[in-house]
Amino acid sequence: EVQLVESGGGLVKPGGSLRLSCAASGFTFSSYTMNWVRQAPGKGLEWVSSISTRSSYIYYADSLKGRFTISRDNAKNSLYLQMNSLRVEDTAVYYCARDRIAAAGFEWFDPWGQGTLVTVSS
Amino acid sequence: EIVLTQSPATLSLSPGERATLSCRASQSVSTSLAWYQQKPGQAPRLLIFDASNRATGIPARFSGSGSGTDFTLTISSLEPEDFAVYYCQQRTNWPFVFTFGPGTKVDIK
Repeated sequence: EVQLVESGGGLVKPGGSLRLSCAASGFTFSSYTMNWVRQAPGKGLEWVSSISTRSSYIYYADSLKGRFTISRDNAKNSLYLQMNSLRVEDTAVYYCARDRIAAAGFEWFDPWGQGTLVTVSS
Repeated sequence: EIVLTQSPATLSLSPGERATLSCRASQSVSTSLAWYQQKPGQAPRLLIFDASNRATGIPARFSGSGSGTDFTLTISSLEPEDFAVYYCQQRTNWPFVFTFGPGTKVDIK
């Protein structure tokens, strides 16, 4: 069974940093592009970042303006999101999501993890 | 930047009725469009990809159509578990970006 389990969320002050992790199992992690998507409380979905299988291609939403860094460790079957200079408006549930099919570049998101809540507040 | 608009914002229907949800792109995305379902407290689930292809395990009552700028998600006969929020998503390759629409909530009338 494919599983994606996010961790690392919590309460952080504005200007602080946080590192999210996503542990993958049930599939060949190194064969899939991976993604982060966030959802502010009561709001819609916002794509954050995507990373190709060997980290050769990395893309971010413009709104992040260099504050977030996506990475992966294929040996550990893990995806990461380093978030710096956090703002109140970064408060959201952060989901990791796998690409629908392997070795296809950048695809649609399927499946998704259950998410981890990041709260930025003083 | 391509903007997705979904209508209506809320659709109030009864079980057994047909639901028709619209997603419009500000410029052509060809068939690079997907639909997701999200229930309260749950992660989104992929329903339709490339405008009209059902994802694995998705019931046949869900169908997608359209190309260019106008897309439709149709639920032929609503089941109780179909009451949820539905998002469309597009992908552009240059610059590379994924964009979600604001969502349509399908609730029980």
